[in-house]
Amino acid sequence: DAGITQSPRYKITETGRQVTLMCHQTWSHSYMFWYRQDLGHGLRLIYYSAAADITDKGEVPDGYVVSRSKTENFPLTLESATRSQTSVYFCASRLTSGGAFRRDTQYFGPGTRLTVL
Amino acid sequence: QKEVEQNSGPLSVPEGAIASLNCTYSDRVSQSFFWYRQYSGKSPELIMSIYSNGDKEDGRFTAQLNKASQYVSLLIRDSQPSDSATYLCAVKYTGGFKTIFGAGTRLFVKA
Repeated sequence: DAGITQSPRYKITETGRQVTLMCHQTWSHSYMFWYRQDLGHGLRLIYYSAAADITDKGEVPDGYVVSRSKTENFPLTLESATRSQTSVYFCASRLTSGGAFRRDTQYFGPGTRLTVL
Repeated sequence: QKEVEQNSGPLSVPEGAIASLNCTYSDRVSQSFFWYRQYSGKSPELIMSIYSNGDKEDGRFTAQLNKASQYVSLLIRDSQPSDSATYLCAVKYTGGFKTIFGAGTRLFVKA
């Protein structure tokens, strides 16, 4: 049971470069989310997706792009990385209810630590 | 006012004591409530979920929900040093897609 995986786990890039963070889940959960976590801010929602080809902005979407052509994948792209995007990025998924999954519960991937120089 | 409020801590308790973590939320149209534990450098992991008023116990953990007071708490009995982590309170509102997270409370359990 692989669950949610994220790649890469660590990434160092330079200002202005495009970076894509990958998220893959094996549960066929409908909902997927991208958060960033910074000291003093907690978890902030960047984008979320209710299903394939349905995405919407969260709290801090500027500078980020997402796509969801398949249910299991939800990549996050930083179009032109800035130092302020240095952070830890978490992907999460959620199934409304059913089976072994608790109702409305989000499950998190291991995170990607991104440093923008 | 933030939608989900937690005391940032740190909360320090001796080993074997009861740790009490509190959370308030601002919207009465709330549906599901969660407590996540996050160790340093790791991702949040679910430890408790609660959906109706009252207490819910799971091992050493008890979640308490009071919707009238818009208050949810987590009690950790017989606290252990391995319980030292940041605890995130989260709320999902009825009809919403998103789960709102508090900023977390850091807990230290002293051996």
